[in-house]
Amino acid sequence: EAQVTQNPRYLITVTGKKLTVTCSQNMNHEYMSWYRQDPGLGLRQIYYSMNVEVTDKGDVPEGYKVSRKEKRNFPLILESPSPNQTSLYFCASSLTGVGVSTEAFFGQGTRLTVV
Amino acid sequence: GQQVMQIPQYQHVQEGEDFTTYCNSSTTLSNIQWYKQRPGGHPVFLIQLVKSGEVKKQKRLTFQFGEAKKNSSLHITATQTTDVGTYFCAGYGGGADGLTFGKGTHLIIQP
Repeated sequence: EAQVTQNPRYLITVTGKKLTVTCSQNMNHEYMSWYRQDPGLGLRQIYYSMNVEVTDKGDVPEGYKVSRKEKRNFPLILESPSPNQTSLYFCASSLTGVGVSTEAFFGQGTRLTVV
Repeated sequence: GQQVMQIPQYQHVQEGEDFTTYCNSSTTLSNIQWYKQRPGGHPVFLIQLVKSGEVKKQKRLTFQFGEAKKNSSLHITATQTTDVGTYFCAGYGGGADGLTFGKGTHLIIQP
């Protein structure tokens, strides 16, 4: 079954404590991305990756890092979380590339609270 | 950068009434996609429109892509309680940065 798996689903953490949200897809997609969803702001792209070792900033990258060492995994790293990073996070994968766009598959979401 | 505006932000309808959400891009798009997010869920792909003036139907849902490939709409006929959720449009400009999402329209249905 085509799947994007995020972990954890829920996380409460304290300011400044480094955390990683994992994302894995089983569809051999080149393109992966991270979004945050906040009330009234919709889905905003944090980072994206066109393939292994190729990552780039989205619209709201401040305070986040990503890595793409393997095609299937695209973890989101918060080195020093702050309360303004409290949000609902989604990972997505697709066959999208330059000139090509296909259906994006989303993970179940990670609800992060930073206190 | 590319911006995608979507209106309205909220829409309350009585069950059985029609519903429409509109999407407008600041730039010409290669294609546009529509997603539905149920309360507490994640966005799920509905459809992709590629051609200028394209119209596609899925049962009670009708999707349109404007002639200039800068705007799109989703129309639901005779809403049902199962239609509740947030509908997002997502524009693709052709570059490596992928999709730009509208802020979504929350559809609330009163029985």
